[in-house]
Amino acid sequence: RKEVEQDPGPFNVPEGATVAFNCTYSNSASQSFFWYRQDCRKEPKLLMSVYSSGNEDGRFTAQLNRASQYISLLIRDSKLSDSATYLCVVMPMDTGRRALTFGSGTRLQVQP
Amino acid sequence: NAGVTQTPKFQVLKTGQSMTLQCAQDMNHEYMSWYRQDPGMGLRLIHYSVGAGITDQGEVPNGYNVSRSTTEDFPLRLLSAAPSQTSVYFCASSYLQADETYEQYFGPGTRLTVT
Repeated sequence: RKEVEQDPGPFNVPEGATVAFNCTYSNSASQSFFWYRQDCRKEPKLLMSVYSSGNEDGRFTAQLNRASQYISLLIRDSKLSDSATYLCVVMPMDTGRRALTFGSGTRLQVQP
Repeated sequence: NAGVTQTPKFQVLKTGQSMTLQCAQDMNHEYMSWYRQDPGMGLRLIHYSVGAGITDQGEVPNGYNVSRSTTEDFPLRLLSAAPSQTSVYFCASSYLQADETYEQYFGPGTRLTVT
């Protein structure tokens, strides 16, 4: 079983739609959680951290459910520029390592 | 700041050849990592370093060596290239911020093909 699992998609949605991505992780001792965005043939970039209380950044909302080991990302009012692959990322409890475990990503295509 | 730089951007090797992928960062970050990304697999950790002179293995270290003689540089060496090492390689650096948040900064990647 992969440590971080995501639906690979693709999710094809019209502009203005709301779309949600889910992610599950297997290591219950995972410390920190993130969503990264990766454009085609580019490097990943941090979209947002995910906090236990949930957090919002503009059109993006992230939620964490530690009991179910589940992370979500909600994108409201989708824009064409949101088309990318979204990577669910966890940091292991061994924080001395400072390296991340990545899901394989969910591809989003926003259609005009 | 240039951030994290990687060279070369593209490389083609023959099986059995060796080479070094270069990575440098100018942000004075303690932590540096190497990942490989294959289709459908996500990024997998090869080696990482928590400071100059300290390195350790990640999830897929076989066939690769690293060293960290300075804070800025973290080269990745392929000892004897194999077709299974065809991949995109990303170097990343990071530091733990005062508020316990944490962000990894990635280089642009090296696309390696082994024939």
